[in-house]
Amino acid sequence: GENVEQHPSTLSVQEGDSAVIKCTYSDSASNYFPWYKQELGKRPQLIIDIRSNVGEKKDQRIAVTLNKTAKHFSLHITETQPEDSAVYFCAASISSGGGADGLTFGKGTHLIIQP
Amino acid sequence: DTAVSQTPKYLVTQMGNDKSIKCEQNLGHDTMYWYKQDSKKFLKIMFSYNNKELIINETVPNRFSPKSPDKAHLNLHINSLELGDSAVYFCASSKTAGYGYTFGSGTRLTVV
Repeated sequence: GENVEQHPSTLSVQEGDSAVIKCTYSDSASNYFPWYKQELGKRPQLIIDIRSNVGEKKDQRIAVTLNKTAKHFSLHITETQPEDSAVYFCAASISSGGGADGLTFGKGTHLIIQP
Repeated sequence: DTAVSQTPKYLVTQMGNDKSIKCEQNLGHDTMYWYKQDSKKFLKIMFSYNNKELIINETVPNRFSPKSPDKAHLNLHINSLELGDSAVYFCASSKTAGYGYTFGSGTRLTVV
């Protein structure tokens, strides 16, 4: 089955600086890669996703890049703000349409924004 | 209106008891899931259903039994609860495979 590795497990950055979280996946058939943000005591929420036919996607201060050859994808957050502090999860799955392939999640990155 | 609702939010129970967690989604999604989040925050899939049919059944003890009476509901029944079952259980739904999930608010299960 799919295996997703996520690094680092904890990331501390100064407010206003950029943060980068990296993930690798094992199954070359995986073609859907979402990122989730989970604040303390809350549910994970989808913040951005990318499909394998796209190399990069941006949404305001967040961006995701995908390298299919190397089987890795990254989340980039620019101009970090205190409200960006949370645990971030990457995930991967195979979009086979009509099936119910579950997402395999990375182990999470605790992002801490220092004032 | 809550898109994916789970009840109860908190569940404290003794070892050996049987308990159920209910989940309902009003998004019209075809696929529903149960995930377990342990104390280290790791999210691990337990089950997935597509249009009421079981698709994924990961290696979980057979004390855990999901039931989907219709595609909007996916309940989780747990028999003979053990200390190691303590975790947060999240229900989620998605339009179909290859789409993002909407998670429920989670059920924090504590077995004492």
